[in-house]
Parts: sequence; C-alpha cells; structure tokens
Amino acid sequence: NAGVTQTPKFQVLKTGQSMTLQCAQDMNHEYMSWYRQDPGMGLRLIHYSVGAGITDQGEVPNGYNVSRSTTEDFPLRLLSAAPSQTSVYFCASSPGHSYGNQPQHFGDGTRLSIL
Amino acid sequence: GENVEQHPSTLSVQEGDSAVIKCTYSDSASNYFPWYKQELGKGPQLIIDIRSNVGEKKDQRIAVTLNKTAKHFSLHITETQPEDSAVYFCAASIYSGGGADGLTFGKGTHLIIQP
Repeated sequence: NAGVTQTPKFQVLKTGQSMTLQCAQDMNHEYMSWYRQDPGMGLRLIHYSVGAGITDQGEVPNGYNVSRSTTEDFPLRLLSAAPSQTSVYFCASSPGHSYGNQPQHFGDGTRLSIL
Repeated sequence: GENVEQHPSTLSVQEGDSAVIKCTYSDSASNYFPWYKQELGKGPQLIIDIRSNVGEKKDQRIAVTLNKTAKHFSLHITETQPEDSAVYFCAASIYSGGGADGLTFGKGTHLIIQP
C-alpha cells in the first residue's frame, strides 16, 4: 500500500515551459486535491476533485489545469510556467463525500523551481 | 471565506516540557479542526483532529481543545521528545454535507525541542 505517490520529486523549468506533476493514490479515495506550500504561507488549495470526471477550483487556481479521468490519478498541469509558480506542490486524497471533513493523506511533494 | 491564524510561528521548548500551539478561526460555521505534523522533506501527516461537537480530544501525549465561543483551538504536546521537532499546521473546514468544502490552513509553527 503506497498511499499517495507524487512524481517527480524535484524539477527545474524555464519560464514559459509546460509540465505535468503526477499524483496517484491506491486507497480508492474519492477526493483528491493539490496544494502549494510557500515559505510563511502555509498550504493553499489549487484545485480539487470529488471524483472521476469532476474537478473544481480552489483558492489559487490561476496558471494551473487539472483533470480526473480515473479514481487513482489526478495530474496537475502548468501550461506556461512563471517564476511565481516556484513552490513545493503537495497532492492529497481522502475518502468520503467532503474532503475537508476527513483526514487528508498527503504525498511527499514535488519541489518545483522556475527560472 | 475562512481565515485561520496560528501562533507562535516558532516555539522552542526543553525536552520533557509541554508545548502549546494556538489557532483562531473566523467563520463560526467551521466544524472540523485537524492538526498536521510536517517533517523535513515530507508531506504533512494528520496527528489529531476534533469536530465541533467535542471540546477536547486526547491521544497519548497529544491533546486538542476547542472553544467554539471564542473560535479558537489549541494543540498540547506533553513530555516533549526530540522526534516532536517538526512544523505543525492547524486547519479548519466547514462540512455542509453536500459539496467539497475546503480546508483552510494556518501558516505553521516550527517546534524545536532542545535536548
């Protein structure tokens, strides 16, 4: 049982490049979400999904796209990377119908630098 | 939306002493309050949570108290040990029974256990 797996662990991009951060969970959780963590800012919600085929925006969605074609996978796409997107990105999952009301299981993060 | 304030940002205590981290929230409708521990290079991990129908919850050396009237909740760690050194995050959310209500995080407390 691997839990929540994020790849890659580290990535350096140039401004304007695109990339996809991968997230997979093997717990059959309905809810998945993406957060970014910046120094002194805590964790801020980017996008979330309540199930396959359903996604919605969080607090800081601009510059990011998501899709949820399967229960297991929830990739985060940066279409045109900007230095302001330099951050540590965490994927999380939880069971149940309201992810905010259930324990979140986090991956170990992707550390992304945009030059 | 919900706003969560967390204090202090850094807390240094002697091994064996107690540590207390405090959070306040703004939305009186919030009803779920988890605490997460984040070790260096890892994702946050849930250590304890409390719901609004409970005033206190304990799990071995860790306890959380909730004061709904004052809209604040606290994490108490007794008999601190070196492995308690980490960053701790509080969070709050509103569960309405229908949609995906969000978790709002505090900005974190860096707990340092001095030997």
